[in-house]
Amino acid sequence: GAGVSQTPSNKVTEKGKYVELRCDPISGHTALYWYRQSLGQGPEFLIYFQGTGAADDSGLPNDRFFAVRPEGSVSTLKIQRTERGDSAVYLCASSKDRGPYNEQFFGPGTRLTVL
Amino acid sequence: AQKITQTQPGMFVQEKEAVTLDCTYDTSDPSYGLFWYKQPSSGEMIFLIYQGSYDQQNATEGRYSLNFQKARKSANLVISASQLGDSAMYFCAMREGGGAQKLVFGQGTRLTINP
Repeated sequence: GAGVSQTPSNKVTEKGKYVELRCDPISGHTALYWYRQSLGQGPEFLIYFQGTGAADDSGLPNDRFFAVRPEGSVSTLKIQRTERGDSAVYLCASSKDRGPYNEQFFGPGTRLTVL
Repeated sequence: AQKITQTQPGMFVQEKEAVTLDCTYDTSDPSYGLFWYKQPSSGEMIFLIYQGSYDQQNATEGRYSLNFQKARKSANLVISASQLGDSAMYFCAMREGGGAQKLVFGQGTRLTINP
């Protein structure tokens, strides 16, 4: 079956612009996660959805970052007034449900470059 | 405080040798899970192995095994009979129990297999 997909694969934008990053999880996965990976670092958690609601948004760095998952499937990460420090690879992952063993399947990521 | 520590930025190993990648963690939650992911140069995160805090035996998946020492809070990944295709970044990650589902990643270890 299809894995997690993310679009676009690359996004170049100018400082101050608005961007949207899309994630299509694996069909049937109720949990969806966004992470951000800067060069040479491990992924850092941003937000997690269980169904349509954000169960944990403690990783969002500030109010310029927002994410939605209106129908419990596709999710969009939105970044307003982009800054050069937002440049990173944004990874999306999905998993079946809660529980102690809850393997997260990752997408290929969107590389965001803010000029 | 650093929750996941990977002290080896880079490792170089001869093909067919075994290699151990170190990971120590810090948590006060009695219920947690430990994960290892592989990230090749193409960028995707590939799940390798999982160890639950209550698991009595060390996890194994093919050539991968996890040396879980709970009292020392370490969860080292052992790769037996290394192959050229094992060259990649390796990340240790932890999920703490309860409702939190996010993964906290270490800084990673870059493994290079030499022919």
